[in-house]
Amino acid sequence: AQKVTQAQTEISVVEKEDVTLDCVYETRDTTYYLFWYKQPPSGELVFLIRRNSFDEQNEISGRYSWNFQKSTSSFNFTITASQVVDSAVYFCALSEAGSNYQLIWGAGTKLIIKP
Amino acid sequence: NAGVTQTPKFQVLKTGQSMTLQCAQDMNHNSMYWYRQDPGMGLRLIYYSASEGTTDKGEVPNGYNVSRLNKREFSLRLESAAPSQTSVYFCASSVQGLRTGELFFGEGSRLTVL
Repeated sequence: AQKVTQAQTEISVVEKEDVTLDCVYETRDTTYYLFWYKQPPSGELVFLIRRNSFDEQNEISGRYSWNFQKSTSSFNFTITASQVVDSAVYFCALSEAGSNYQLIWGAGTKLIIKP
Repeated sequence: NAGVTQTPKFQVLKTGQSMTLQCAQDMNHNSMYWYRQDPGMGLRLIYYSASEGTTDKGEVPNGYNVSRLNKREFSLRLESAAPSQTSVYFCASSVQGLRTGELFFGEGSRLTVL
């Protein structure tokens, strides 16, 4: 059965530190899609990245980077030089190609950046 | 850029009352979704509409009904609200499912059932 595990319930770091949020997934499909969303204290859900299972290249977008490793079924998210505005709950999610409309969500990691 | 718009943003109901959450998107997306979010949990899919004229159950459909009114609008109805339906509800849309792209979310509707 498909599953997404975000083992870190809450992480607290001081501003400017680097921080990595872990995401481990389970799926039997060979074609699937992985997502990260950010939910700031205001409550909206902000899309960060979507990756398909055939693209294992790491992605960098400014201070954000993602490390996709099929060998360990992980899709980890790193924020470099964290800022207070990065404080939010971050969700990892999985969609299997065979379930085009179902997105399996992790429980989320609450990230607190202290000034 | 309105994107996905949900109304109302806040609602308090008494047990047994009914209400409808409205959702509209202006991105010409085919697929629309209703999720609920409870504290400490990820989102759970209530219902979705793959395209205009179709609706399907998600993980937690009991106690809810939906209507895809047209391509733009997708409403969620609680016929007889229960305290267990206290939650934050999100509407979302996508071009066509998840193979083609991501979900775009509304700002959420916070519902409290007393």
